[in-house]
Amino acid sequence: DVVLTQSPLSLPVTLGQPASISCRSGQSLAHSDGNTYLFWFHQRPGQSPRRLIYRVSNRDSGVPDRFSGSGSGTDFTLEISSVEADDVGVYYCMQASHWPQTFGLGTRLEIK
Amino acid sequence: EVVLVQSGGGLVQPGMSLRLACEASGSGFSVTRTHMNWVRQAPGKGLECISVINAGGNAYRAEFLGARFTFSRDSAKNTLYLQINNLRADDTAVYYCATGHMDVWGGGTTVTVSS
Repeated sequence: DVVLTQSPLSLPVTLGQPASISCRSGQSLAHSDGNTYLFWFHQRPGQSPRRLIYRVSNRDSGVPDRFSGSGSGTDFTLEISSVEADDVGVYYCMQASHWPQTFGLGTRLEIK
Repeated sequence: EVVLVQSGGGLVQPGMSLRLACEASGSGFSVTRTHMNWVRQAPGKGLECISVINAGGNAYRAEFLGARFTFSRDSAKNTLYLQINNLRADDTAVYYCATGHMDVWGGGTTVTVSS
C-alpha cells in the first residue's frame, strides 16, 4: 500500500498567519493517464470530511482561495495563506493513483 | 446537488450482523454510473478506505477486510449497501460513503459493537 506521511501532525497557528502541511508519498502518484490523484480534505469534530483540493491543486467549489495545493511526484503541500478560526480541525491528504486508496494520518490544526 | 443519506448503524452485540445503507439523490446522479467508496473511521483515529465499487458493480475491498464484509448496490433504489456479519469490537467505527473521488460524503453512520 502507498504510505502517505503528513507533517506536522499538530499545527498550532496564530489567527491571520499562514500554515503549511506536507504530504509525502512512498511512491510517485503520477498515474499512467497523466493525472496525479492527490486530494486534500478537512474534517471538523463530529462532521464528515469535506474535500478541499482535487488532483493536487484544484480547489473545490466554495473553498476559499486562501487554500492552495501544490506538488508533484511524491511531494505535496497544502497551504493556507491566512488562517481563520473556521479552519480548525484535521486535514488529510489522500491518494487514489494506486489501489488501495490511502490517507495520511492527518494534521490537527489549532489556533494558538 | 448530490446528497448521500446514510442509515443502518447502531449498538450491537458481538457476533450480530448489520446492513448499512447509503441512498443517493439529486441532479440525476446514479450510483451505477460512477464509482463509490466506503470509508471508515475508528474512534479517535484517521480515515481508512475499505472499498471502492466501480460503475460496473465490481467491489474492490481492502485486503485487511475479511469475508465478513460484503458490498452491494440497488440501482432501483439508487442505494449502496455494506453488510457486516459476525461483528467484532474492532469493527466499531463511523462508516462513511462517498462519491467518486470523494467530492460528496454521506453524514456517516456509527457502528458500536459491545456486549
